[in-house]
Amino acid sequence: DVKVTQSSRYLVKRTGEKVFLECVQDMDHENMFWYRQDPGLGLRLIYFSYDVKMKEKGDIPEGYSVSREKKERFSLILESASTNQTSMYLCASRPTGTGELFFGEGSRLTVL
Amino acid sequence: RKEVEQDPGPFNVPEGATVAFNCTYSNSASQSFFWYRQDCRKEPKLLMSVYSSGNEDGRFTAQLNRASQYISLLIRDSKLSDSATYLCVVNRLTGGFKTIFGAGTRLFVKA
Repeated sequence: DVKVTQSSRYLVKRTGEKVFLECVQDMDHENMFWYRQDPGLGLRLIYFSYDVKMKEKGDIPEGYSVSREKKERFSLILESASTNQTSMYLCASRPTGTGELFFGEGSRLTVL
Repeated sequence: RKEVEQDPGPFNVPEGATVAFNCTYSNSASQSFFWYRQDCRKEPKLLMSVYSSGNEDGRFTAQLNRASQYISLLIRDSKLSDSATYLCVVNRLTGGFKTIFGAGTRLFVKA
């Protein structure tokens, strides 16, 4: 069965802290994505990666960075968390040539 | 204007009702279309793909009208377990492959 695993379901951090959100997929998918989801705004793409060590900015990359050192792992980094980064973060993967995205369960981040 | 627009709802319907969701997209380069379902505090999951010929999966029917840039989802004989948010999703290939999500339509099915 397809599996995308996010490291933390719930996190509470303080303003200015560095935050790591990790995502691992076991399906050998080339493409991986980080979204944030906020009420009324839907899912917005932060960054994506179509290959190891490759990354592309999405629609809202400011304040975030990513790392993809291995095919199965895609990490989202908040260098200095701010309160407006309080959100639900969703990782997804997709094989090349198809449209279906497979999502992790999400990481709900609260920045105080 | 958002590239993919949905009625946010919520739709409140009794069990057994038929409910229809609509979605419009503005970019004519859009290539593939999907409906995802998202339960409260859970991740989105693919419900069904949408084809020009229309497609049906049990109580669910999806339709695509490329000329009007319009997608629909019909749920017949609603069940309590259908309560969720339904996301309209469009893929397009313009300057790279891109997936755009609608904000979702919330459905509550009541006994």
